[in-house]
Amino acid sequence: DGGITQSPKYLFRKEGQNVTLSCEQNLNHDAMYWYRQDPGQGLRLIYYSQIVNDFQKGDIAEGYSVSREKKESFPLTVTSAQKNPTAFYLCASSPVTGDYGYTFGSGTRLTVV
Amino acid sequence: QKEVEQNSGPLSVPEGAIASLNCTYSDRGSQSFFWYRQYSGKSPELIMFIYSNGDKEDGRFTAQLNKASQYVSLLIRDSQPSDSATYLCAVNMGDYKLSFGAGTTVTVRA
Repeated sequence: DGGITQSPKYLFRKEGQNVTLSCEQNLNHDAMYWYRQDPGQGLRLIYYSQIVNDFQKGDIAEGYSVSREKKESFPLTVTSAQKNPTAFYLCASSPVTGDYGYTFGSGTRLTVV
Repeated sequence: QKEVEQNSGPLSVPEGAIASLNCTYSDRGSQSFFWYRQYSGKSPELIMFIYSNGDKEDGRFTAQLNKASQYVSLLIRDSQPSDSATYLCAVNMGDYKLSFGAGTTVTVRA
């Protein structure tokens, strides 16, 4: 079955650590996105990519980094520069032709300990 | 001004009633609109999309779009306890990016 796989489901980060969230899709979608969700604030765009080896900053990119070396993969690194990383992180993908909305992964819940 | 705004809720409706969710958006050039349902602790799932003015029905769900008023709504008819969730309105602002509202939480009382 086609879909988006995010891992891990839960992640705990110590102060000063970098952590990487995985996102893999087998939907043959060109575009991939990372969103952060905090209670009561909806989804905020961190980074997005429409093609391999290219990506753009979203609204809240500070303290995060991404790569897009393969069409199927779009990992997100939460760096130590992100001072408030505790949140629910959602990866999504979509075609770039047509307009069909996003397909979301199951999410990663990151907690700072 | 927020790009996409939803009625804040929470919205509590009795089982079998109609739940009405509203969404306004700021970009008059927006062309496509989506409603996602998100259960607590889960990721959003697409339930409706609409591109043209008027109504679009799918089962118990009806999406309504009025581009002149920059308004999109979702009606849930014959509400069931399984409809209890947060509903997110999303608008395509161009460049294939979606902007999301903060969501409206619906509780269906048995």
